[in-house]
Amino acid sequence: NAGVTQTPKFQVLKTGQSMTLQCAQDMNHNSMYWYRQDPGMGLRLIYYSASEGTTDKGEVPNGYNVSRLNKREFSLRLESAAPSQTSVYFCASNVGTGVIDTQYFGPGTRLTVL
Amino acid sequence: GQQLNQSPQSMFIQEGEDVSMNCTSSSIFNTWLWYKQDPGEGPVLLIALYKAGELTSNGRLTAQFGITRKDSFLNISASIPSDVGIYFCAGSGGSNYKLTFGKGTLLTVNP
Repeated sequence: NAGVTQTPKFQVLKTGQSMTLQCAQDMNHNSMYWYRQDPGMGLRLIYYSASEGTTDKGEVPNGYNVSRLNKREFSLRLESAAPSQTSVYFCASNVGTGVIDTQYFGPGTRLTVL
Repeated sequence: GQQLNQSPQSMFIQEGEDVSMNCTSSSIFNTWLWYKQDPGEGPVLLIALYKAGELTSNGRLTAQFGITRKDSFLNISASIPSDVGIYFCAGSGGSNYKLTFGKGTLLTVNP
């Protein structure tokens, strides 16, 4: 099993450009998450999907959209990138029963917006 | 919303020393998790705690779920250079599928 995979690993954008970050998991998990990590801020939840067909806002959703394409895939889209969105983005998944909360993380996408 | 206070923010220790870090919460949690993040990688789960008072070990790591359900600590014994990284605590109330993360403890081990 590959676990949680993310593409791309690195990306540089200009202000105003758009892009989609891809995430996939092969663990048959129900719930998937997108976080951003900034120095000194820890991990902050952007959006999550408790189950296929549902998405909800997290702590810092502004400027982002998500799509739960199917059970395996959960994408994060930046419609008009801003320098404040320079960050490391992590996708995570868990079983999603609400009882076992362990989340498994992908390797991250390092995004720079100029 | 729920908040976690993780301390210390950073630690500089000598190889062989023991390390202790902790997290406290303003809310009761049903689950406490401890993650480690190596440079350039995603966080990896170290220890999961599901019951108040639970003490769990994983090799040189020991973690406890506080009896009040509002705190947890992680101890690392006899540190080695590969222990370098950022350690995160995370907690969950269990009913909304979300974890709340601490801001991390940056550990540096001098050989």
